[in-house]
Amino acid sequence: EDQVTQSPEALRLQEGESSSLNCSYTVSGLRGLFWYRQDPGKGPEFLFTLYSAGEEKEKERLKATLTKKESFLHITAPKPEDSATYLCAVPPSGGTSYGKLTFGQGTILTVHP
Amino acid sequence: EAQVTQNPRYLITVTGKKLTVTCSQNMNHEYMSWYRQDPGLGLRQIYYSMNVEVTDKGDVPEGYKVSRKEKRNFPLILESPSPNQTSLYFCASSFAEDQPQHFGDGTRLSIL
Repeated sequence: EDQVTQSPEALRLQEGESSSLNCSYTVSGLRGLFWYRQDPGKGPEFLFTLYSAGEEKEKERLKATLTKKESFLHITAPKPEDSATYLCAVPPSGGTSYGKLTFGQGTILTVHP
Repeated sequence: EAQVTQNPRYLITVTGKKLTVTCSQNMNHEYMSWYRQDPGLGLRQIYYSMNVEVTDKGDVPEGYKVSRKEKRNFPLILESPSPNQTSLYFCASSFAEDQPQHFGDGTRLSIL
């Protein structure tokens, strides 16, 4: 069965203090890895898809990278508006995971001015 | 505008009173799914649908029903709601199960 673990559970940063969020995954065959941003009381908003080790995607202050066992979401010089919960997820790799997307528990990011 | 629309957004009801949460998407997506989100438990999949008339259980299907009679609609039915179904519910859709999903804005259900 597919598994996704995110760390840390919560991260508090000062504005401008760069850091990284981690997403470790265990799947029988990776068909992609998704990163989402979720604001309180709202649905997750899609950020990136990564498909193979070594791939990188960037959007404003966010950069997502992928290795064979984990993905990182790097946040460079964050601003208070980057505060949100960041989720990673993997599509089903087959077997008992058929049809089911597996989400991590999320990292709650708070950026203080 | 591409979107997933859920209704109602908020509902307070009582135990045992049947309710339906509607979900509609305008992106011609094949795959649709329902999730519930609870503090400390993250997003958990309730049911999903690969296509019209094709539905299957997710991780927490007990107490829920779904149907997919049309491609764009995927209603979630609680036949006899109970307080443990109080939660924040999300509908999502995508072109396929291995593609990123678009989420609705959520439905907050309170079962008293």
